[in-house]
Amino acid sequence: GAVVSQHPSRVICKSGTSVKIECRSLDFQATTMFWYRQFPKQSLMLMATSNEGSKATYEQGVEKDKFLINHASLTLSTLTVTSAHPEDSSFYICSARDPRTYEQYFGPGTRLTVT
Amino acid sequence: DAKTTQPPSMDCAEGRAANLPCNHSTISGNEYVYWYRQIHSQGPQYIIHGLKNNETNEMASLIITEDRKSSTLILPHATLRDTAVYYCIVGNGNKLVFGAGTILRVKS
Repeated sequence: GAVVSQHPSRVICKSGTSVKIECRSLDFQATTMFWYRQFPKQSLMLMATSNEGSKATYEQGVEKDKFLINHASLTLSTLTVTSAHPEDSSFYICSARDPRTYEQYFGPGTRLTVT
Repeated sequence: DAKTTQPPSMDCAEGRAANLPCNHSTISGNEYVYWYRQIHSQGPQYIIHGLKNNETNEMASLIITEDRKSSTLILPHATLRDTAVYYCIVGNGNKLVFGAGTILRVKS
């Protein structure tokens, strides 16, 4: 199957700093990528839809000024958690949609810990 | 997107078939049924998807009822490595909305 990578896999940062997470589709050009977060023992929650060359679409309740999404190329989307706080500590997962099949492939996730 | 209902957990003996049910009574005509699984602390892994016909691949089989209101994912010979959370999702190829899923425990 197609491969989606994320970097970094783990990050620890101090409260008040910003953290950038990268999501890359390695086998296909993804015009659409998605960002999810997952708290312990919970399901994945969709945060936003990232569209190449246009603004991201955020789900209800997700602060767009706090979670900045940039989809500058067909293979890369980035999520920046600005002014991170301990409650932002979570598992962040991206997915990329293959435009040829509409199948979605998920990255391995990024574990963010804010101290 | 239509919602799905899955049992919270299931156990299966190693080597036996695991049959995971999913109800999606409000599915609309252009929505597919997708199955993903998530092993602890990893990203979800695609298993299979279908519209109305039964589907089979190297991982699993998907049986969709004629009225499309429910489906069953079949892992023909479950192994310990199949222990995971299995998510049944319906959608039209756009965003995927995850429910709580079924925790499948394969036991030796």
